[in-house]
Amino acid sequence: DQQVKQNSPSLSVQEGRISILNCDYTNSMFDYFLWYKKYPAEGPTFLISISSIKDKNEDGRFTVFLNKSAKHLSLHIVPSQPGDSAVYFCAASAFSGGSNYKLTFGKGTLLTVNP
Amino acid sequence: GAGVSQSPRYKVAKRGQDVALRCDPISGHVSLFWYQQALGQGPEFLTYFQNEAQLDKSGLPSDRFFAERPEGSVSTLKIQRTQQEDSAVYLCASSLFPGSYEQYFGPGTRLTVT
Repeated sequence: DQQVKQNSPSLSVQEGRISILNCDYTNSMFDYFLWYKKYPAEGPTFLISISSIKDKNEDGRFTVFLNKSAKHLSLHIVPSQPGDSAVYFCAASAFSGGSNYKLTFGKGTLLTVNP
Repeated sequence: GAGVSQSPRYKVAKRGQDVALRCDPISGHVSLFWYQQALGQGPEFLTYFQNEAQLDKSGLPSDRFFAERPEGSVSTLKIQRTQQEDSAVYLCASSLFPGSYEQYFGPGTRLTVT
C-alpha cells in the first residue's frame, strides 16, 4: 500500500521551461513533506521541504506547493537547467514515537532537461 | 564538513553468506536511519537509532537483519544468510537531533546476492 505516490515515472522538459513534478499521499498523519534529488550512484540530497501549516515554500528556482485537502504536492523548477536532470523523490514524515521522523518515499520521477 | 559515508560501496555475496554494511554518520548527528532501496523503488525505512538506542526496528524485513550502533556514532547493518531478495541499495541517513525532519544520506551500499 503506497502511502506516497509519484505517478509519473519520467518527465522531459526543454531548458529554460518550467518543470512540474507531482506527488500524492494518502496518510493524513503526514505533517511534513520533502523533496530529494538523486544522481546515479549517489545518495539522495535534500532539496526543499514544506510543513503542513503552509501551502507554499520557495527557494530560488524551486517552489513546493501543498494542497492538504487534495493530499497533493508539487515541485516547480523555473527555469529548468540541464544540471537539474536527476531522479526526484517526494517524501513525507509523521512523528512515529521516540522522536522518530522516518521518511516515507514515493518511487521517484526521472526528470530530463534537454539543452 | 564530511558527509555521511558508507562502506563498502558495492558488495557481491553468494546466497547464504553473511554481510556487514557500515555507516559513518555526520559527526555529532544524534539520529541515524537505515533504508533499503530496491530497483525502481523509493527508499524504504528499516530502522532508527537515537544515539546508541535502537528505538524503531519496525521496517526490518526479517530476523536475518540486525543493526547496531554501540557507541552512538558508527552503525553496522548485518544481514545473515543472504537471499536474492535482499539485493538492493542500502542507504544510511543521519540528522542532527531528534525531531529534525531533514535527513542527510550517504551514497549507499549496493548489495547483489547471487
